[in-house]
Amino acid sequence: GAVVSQHPSWVICKSGTSVKIECRSLDFQATTMFWYRQFPKQSLMLMATSNEGSKATYEQGVEKDKFLINQASLTLSTLTVTSAHPEDSSFYICSASRLAGKPDTQYFGPGTRLTVL
Amino acid sequence: GENVEQHPSTLSVQEGDSAVIKCTYSDSASNYFPWYKQELGKRPQLIIDIRSNVGEKKDQRIAVTLNKTAKHFSLHITETQPEDSAVYFCAAINDYKLSFGAGTTVTVRA
Repeated sequence: GAVVSQHPSWVICKSGTSVKIECRSLDFQATTMFWYRQFPKQSLMLMATSNEGSKATYEQGVEKDKFLINQASLTLSTLTVTSAHPEDSSFYICSASRLAGKPDTQYFGPGTRLTVL
Repeated sequence: GENVEQHPSTLSVQEGDSAVIKCTYSDSASNYFPWYKQELGKRPQLIIDIRSNVGEKKDQRIAVTLNKTAKHFSLHITETQPEDSAVYFCAAINDYKLSFGAGTTVTVRA
């Protein structure tokens, strides 16, 4: 149990376009969903935290108008990278914590590789 | 916010030897310390975790120790095998947010 999926697994887009990434908890309801960004050979950096029905909480330095995060339900969160540029190319990983379970355990999705040309 | 430091950044060990990775954290309110293994292009996998009310935890060849006073925790892998080669991240949770260390690239030489 506790499976998190992401779609797409990889995407290539042109500079200036927007890209949407979906994160789903397949077999549990998620209290909170988290979005991370990971550049090559670096660590995971938390971008924002989302909860169903409320606005996402962004970490310092993350542009909320550029990275739109929405949690539509207890099983779905989306990250939209608006007007993407080459410097946004990265590995984006989501995670979710269970509604009924230890709140500090996060289950990670497989990640989405974004390449902006 | 929480700041997690991890050392070393790279570690090469002979198959069968032990590997030790050390981390420190800054916020005494952090109370949960997971360790993740990440292979190239894959998601981080939880390999072991420890909570602040425990000093040591072991799971087969993997063990973690925690010193709350010193704000220090370590990962120990014994009898290393080639499949242990990966990047390992320590992390600390504070207010449900995970802060990761910079990572340690472990290479197990056959």
